[in-house]
Amino acid sequence: EVQLVESGGGLVKPGGSLRLSCAASGFTFSNAWMSWVRQAPGKGLEWIGRIKSKTDGGTTDYAAPVKGRFTISRDESKNTLYLQMNSLKTEDTAVYYCTTGDSVWGSYRNWGQGTLVTVSS
Amino acid sequence: DIQMTQSPSSLSASVGDRVTITCRASQSISSYLNWYQQKPGRAPKLLIYAASSLQSGVPSRFSGSGSGTDFTLTISSLQPEDFATYYCQQSYSTLFTFGPGTKVDIK
Repeated sequence: EVQLVESGGGLVKPGGSLRLSCAASGFTFSNAWMSWVRQAPGKGLEWIGRIKSKTDGGTTDYAAPVKGRFTISRDESKNTLYLQMNSLKTEDTAVYYCTTGDSVWGSYRNWGQGTLVTVSS
Repeated sequence: DIQMTQSPSSLSASVGDRVTITCRASQSISSYLNWYQQKPGRAPKLLIYAASSLQSGVPSRFSGSGSGTDFTLTISSLQPEDFATYYCQQSYSTLFTFGPGTKVDIK
């Protein structure tokens, strides 16, 4: 059974940093393209970025609102995905989901439970 | 970036109704369009991928159609467990984007 378990959320002040983790199991993590999607309170889903598998180059892509502030990385030895968030803004307050699925059609069939990040002074 | 719009933003329907939700892309995305269902406090659930392919385990009352810029999600006979918010997502460009969502609630 595929499992994605996020951790690391919490309260942080504007301008601060936080690192989220997503522990993956039940599938071959090294072959998977992994993504982060967030959802601000009462709002819709927002795609924020992706990291390809190492065999596909391991490159990353980011949505404009987070590019230059957020970094996605992966550790194959720990089957873990990371999201390093710097220079946080109040508008980054959201539930952050890690997700994966079909790298051909770009659909996300597996999701974590989400972790809440609150950016507030 | 490719912008996605959905209509309506919300609708009220009764159990047994046929429901259609529309999603439009700002440019052609071929068939790279996926649909998700989300209930309050839960992670999204994939319903349809590649515009019209039903995800394994999803009831056959859900169907998707369209290509290019215009897509639809149809629920043939609305069930109590279908009251939720539905999102489309394009996966054609390097940077994926979601539609703003359509909330389906009970009439």
